[in-house]
Amino acid sequence: QKEVEQNSGPLSVPEGAIASLNCTYSDRGSQSFFWYRQYSGKSPELIMFIYSNGDKEDGRFTAQLNKASQYVSLLIRDSQPSDSATYLCAVNKWSSGSARQLTFGSGTQLTVLP
Amino acid sequence: DTAVSQTPKYLVTQMGNDKSIKCEQNLGHDTMYWYKQDSKKFLKIMFSYNNKELIINETVPNRFSPKSPDKAHLNLHINSLELGDSAVYFCASSQDRGRGDTQYFGPGTRLTVL
Repeated sequence: QKEVEQNSGPLSVPEGAIASLNCTYSDRGSQSFFWYRQYSGKSPELIMFIYSNGDKEDGRFTAQLNKASQYVSLLIRDSQPSDSATYLCAVNKWSSGSARQLTFGSGTQLTVLP
Repeated sequence: DTAVSQTPKYLVTQMGNDKSIKCEQNLGHDTMYWYKQDSKKFLKIMFSYNNKELIINETVPNRFSPKSPDKAHLNLHINSLELGDSAVYFCASSQDRGRGDTQYFGPGTRLTVL
């Protein structure tokens, strides 16, 4: 079982719709959960992070965390063609000693159709 | 101002050669990382340094050797390059702020081994 799993997609949604991206993780010791966006040929950039159960909103983005189900999701409201990218879920946990290690999922490719 | 920079951006070389990638961050962060992203977009951590000390060393061939001359720089030297080393290598940095410590990525170095 992979530590962090995402549907690879591609996921296509029409412009203006809500895009829903899902992620599950295997380690119950995971502490923080991050969503990164990566445009083709570019580096990952942080969208938002969450570490408490429930919802966290930032503009058009909402992250949802359910630790009991080991599930984290990202909702993108009013999707725009510029949101078309690969979305990476990442999970932070303690590694050796005092190090925290970020483990990434394989990403979900999102296409927003005009 | 570039927060995390890497050189070179592209690196094309022959099998068996030795090459280095340099990374610098001007964010004042304590921790720096090297990641490898393969052709399937899977981003995997290789090394992490905190204040010039190696704290994460994943299962990576010992042909890969990181070096941190100071906390703003983390270089990656690769000996005897192999075809399977072809990938995009990302440097990242973070400042320990507890559960929300965010990693900022450099632009990546695309390594092609012929």
